[in-house]
Amino acid sequence: AQSVTQLGSHVSVSEGALVLLRCNYSSSVPPYLFWYVQYPNQGLQLLLKYTSAATLVKGINGFEAEFKKSETSFHLTKPSAHMSDAAEYFCAVSHTNTGNQFYFGTGTSLTVIP
Amino acid sequence: GAVVSQHPSRVICKSGTSVKIECRSLDFQATTMFWYRQFPKQSLMLMATSNEGSKATYEQGVEKDKFLINHASLTLSTLTVTSAHPEDSSFYICSARDNGLAGKDEQYFGPGTRLTVT
Repeated sequence: AQSVTQLGSHVSVSEGALVLLRCNYSSSVPPYLFWYVQYPNQGLQLLLKYTSAATLVKGINGFEAEFKKSETSFHLTKPSAHMSDAAEYFCAVSHTNTGNQFYFGTGTSLTVIP
Repeated sequence: GAVVSQHPSRVICKSGTSVKIECRSLDFQATTMFWYRQFPKQSLMLMATSNEGSKATYEQGVEKDKFLINHASLTLSTLTVTSAHPEDSSFYICSARDNGLAGKDEQYFGPGTRLTVT
């Protein structure tokens, strides 16, 4: 069985501050992990994905995430928040790179304070 | 490349009527498409897996007679909400799996369709 838990449904940071969005996963097989961003009334945009290669994954818009097997975590970070980063972020797990079946976390709403 | 479109983007219908939502892969072929439902402030819930040329596979708790899925071609899947009720109001998102690139299966999401049933 696979699942993800996103700690913190709402996160607020000041513009220029570090962004840290938490994701822990549960998977009975080696997982593939994804982070998506969703802007209001829009679909999902892939930020980055982990597919069993390098544990530190760099994505678009300055985001990166580190796969830590010992902690079953895949937290998303960005060194300096921009106003445009305000959105909903979803972590997802799959057991294949294709994401044949995604299991999404409940999402984290990021607010950036000017 | 790798664009998935949905039509309409927004639809309002009366209770008891049926609504069809289209999901198209614009520049790749997709043997498999997925339909998700998202309630306000909540995550995406997989409703069904749509397979070209065969019946869709529905997740537990999803009424197949209410949410009709047809995947008649490699670039088009449709979701029809039959006899819609206000509780069917939601944001419906499709995704399509690009199986045309060897060793690089990717899945791409559409922009979503906002359904409001009055």
